[in-house]
Amino acid sequence: DQQVKQNSPSLSVQEGRISILNCDYTNSMFDYFLWYKKYPAEGPTFLISISSIKDKNEDGRFTVFLNKSAKHLSLHIVPSQPGDSAVYFCAATHSGNTPLVFGKGTRLSVIA
Amino acid sequence: EAGVAQSPRYKIIEKRQSVAFWCNPISGHATLYWYQQILGQGPKLLIQFQNNGVVDDSQLPKDRFSAERLKGVDSTLKIQPAKLEDSAVYLCASSLLNNQETQYFGPGTRLLVL
Repeated sequence: DQQVKQNSPSLSVQEGRISILNCDYTNSMFDYFLWYKKYPAEGPTFLISISSIKDKNEDGRFTVFLNKSAKHLSLHIVPSQPGDSAVYFCAATHSGNTPLVFGKGTRLSVIA
Repeated sequence: EAGVAQSPRYKIIEKRQSVAFWCNPISGHATLYWYQQILGQGPKLLIQFQNNGVVDDSQLPKDRFSAERLKGVDSTLKIQPAKLEDSAVYLCASSLLNNQETQYFGPGTRLLVL
């Protein structure tokens, strides 16, 4: 039973354009969501997060949008850069007290 | 600030053999996590320690996996005996007390069981 789903295994985007990575969740108890970025042979690194009391959080080129009614969140990267090429994981938790539940990840390739 | 250290980085063993992984968390981080990441999947929590006590080991296959954090700092994860399906990357992460939201991950140990 996958509680966090990233249905696109991969995404290719041209440099300078927008990258949109999607994530859906099924557990309505989740109230805090995170995006992690992972390069090959490295551990995931925290990128950006959002609490369920917000519908948008922005940090530089990265913006996360949360649609609670649809149980859907998305990560927007604008403009995309070749260094953004990595695997992006969506994760969710309840009140920060329950273990993070990760999606399967989406591999983003930014083409120069 | 030094990050989370893990060793070895790679390990190849035959099924039914034993293997152990080591993790040194970021200094001052009371909470330590071990995750298993199978190829094509997201990380899955195996066990969470707070200082030297176990907080959550509900997804740890206790018939073959064990973990300890004796002095509340370093931790070891052991598999005995290993099965083919244990082939995965084992990630260690740490965070400040009760701060699940900001975990810092180590580079992982890639295990191949033949």
